[in-house]
Amino acid sequence: QKEVEQNSGPLSVPEGAIASLNCTYSDRGSQSFFWYRQYSGKSPELIMSIYSNGDKEDGRFTAQLNKASQYVSLLIRDSQPSDSATYLCAVNRYVQFYFGTGTSLTVIP
Amino acid sequence: ETGVTQSPTHLIKTRGQQVTLRCSSQSGHNTVSWYQQALGQGPQFIFQYYREEENGRGNFPPRFSGLQFPNYSSELNVNALELDDSALYLCASKKTSGSSTDTQYFGPGTRLTVL
Repeated sequence: QKEVEQNSGPLSVPEGAIASLNCTYSDRGSQSFFWYRQYSGKSPELIMSIYSNGDKEDGRFTAQLNKASQYVSLLIRDSQPSDSATYLCAVNRYVQFYFGTGTSLTVIP
Repeated sequence: ETGVTQSPTHLIKTRGQQVTLRCSSQSGHNTVSWYQQALGQGPQFIFQYYREEENGRGNFPPRFSGLQFPNYSSELNVNALELDDSALYLCASKKTSGSSTDTQYFGPGTRLTVL
């Protein structure tokens, strides 16, 4: 079983819509959770971090964490073409960060 | 920009050669981690250095080794290069405070091609 699994893509949404990205993790000892955005050929860029159950909002982005279900999600409201990228879910347990394989998002103008 | 820098940007080597990649951490950060990202995959943890000591290692063979220097910069060395070592190598730095909220930031990466 993989440490981190993300919903299979690619995901396409029209401009202005809500994009929903999902992630599950296998180890209940995971302590903190992150979403990174990665444009093609570039390195991952931190979007959001979340540490406790519930929602965390930052501008158009909302991260949701449910530790009982071992589930993390990212909602992007009012999606823009510039949001087109691969989104990586990462979880931290002690020293190590574990990444999913990423979900490719395309926002269609 | 995260303040994490890596060199070189791109590198081409042949199978069996050795390579050294370099990383300068963000100011104030004392911990550096290295990742390998193959095409279409998420980053895979290679190892982490804190206070010049390796304090965590992923599932990579001993031919992947590293160093951290007193100024917290770091090197990744790969010996006996194999074709499968072709990947984007990412360095990430953070300030380890002992909190689970420590967040790491990535450098731009080094693209290694092994022929």
